[in-house]
Amino acid sequence: NAGVMQNPRHLVRRRGQEARLRCSPMKGHSHVYWYRQLPEEGLKFMVYLQKENIIDESGMPKERFSAEFPKEGPSILRIQQVVRGDSAAYFCASSLGQGGRADTQYFGPGTRLTVL
Amino acid sequence: AQKITQTQPGMFVQEKEAVTLDCTYDTSDPSYGLFWYKQPSSGEMIFLIYQGSYDQQNATEGRYSLNFQKARKSANLVISASQLGDSAMYFCAMREGRKGAQKLVFGQGTRLTINP
Repeated sequence: NAGVMQNPRHLVRRRGQEARLRCSPMKGHSHVYWYRQLPEEGLKFMVYLQKENIIDESGMPKERFSAEFPKEGPSILRIQQVVRGDSAAYFCASSLGQGGRADTQYFGPGTRLTVL
Repeated sequence: AQKITQTQPGMFVQEKEAVTLDCTYDTSDPSYGLFWYKQPSSGEMIFLIYQGSYDQQNATEGRYSLNFQKARKSANLVISASQLGDSAMYFCAMREGRKGAQKLVFGQGTRLTINP
């Protein structure tokens, strides 16, 4: 399967715990994006990364949230000390980043985070 | 700031009929891209169609076409000969063309139900 992969698909955490969400981009893609979707809403941009660089983090909450895309391995979205309001679906997307149609972002299946 | 508006929270259509899903947008950037995604009940986000702001012709992809009216700032999705499997949430999204502005801004979505 050459699509965007995310794991875990479902994650349950208690308040105060840490959540780590992983994303492997499509083969050949070096641009990764994270979005959050609350129930019955559209997706909201969080962060845009290239290998080893954060390009745009304008949608990231200032505290508790961080993201990385190391030279080797998947991109990680990390949420520290989770609260109930963090419960949402978190989607990762990847693209070639060359502009035009080639910049189409292809999405992974999402991680559904539930905070108890 | 970018803004995407989808005014139809839900639509019900008979199988085999054509359906138009509305999307209007607002941006001050002359270069931008418009995207439609489908989200079935299983939750994944599926790319359907792309329209660039400088494209002379309306985009088409199989049964999907995009009715792009630049002066009206609208980018409606048309699905011809609807099928039961078209039942899903549909999201319109926009990306501005300036360098580094890779994030997608999504509308609230339209829930389409195809009746047999």
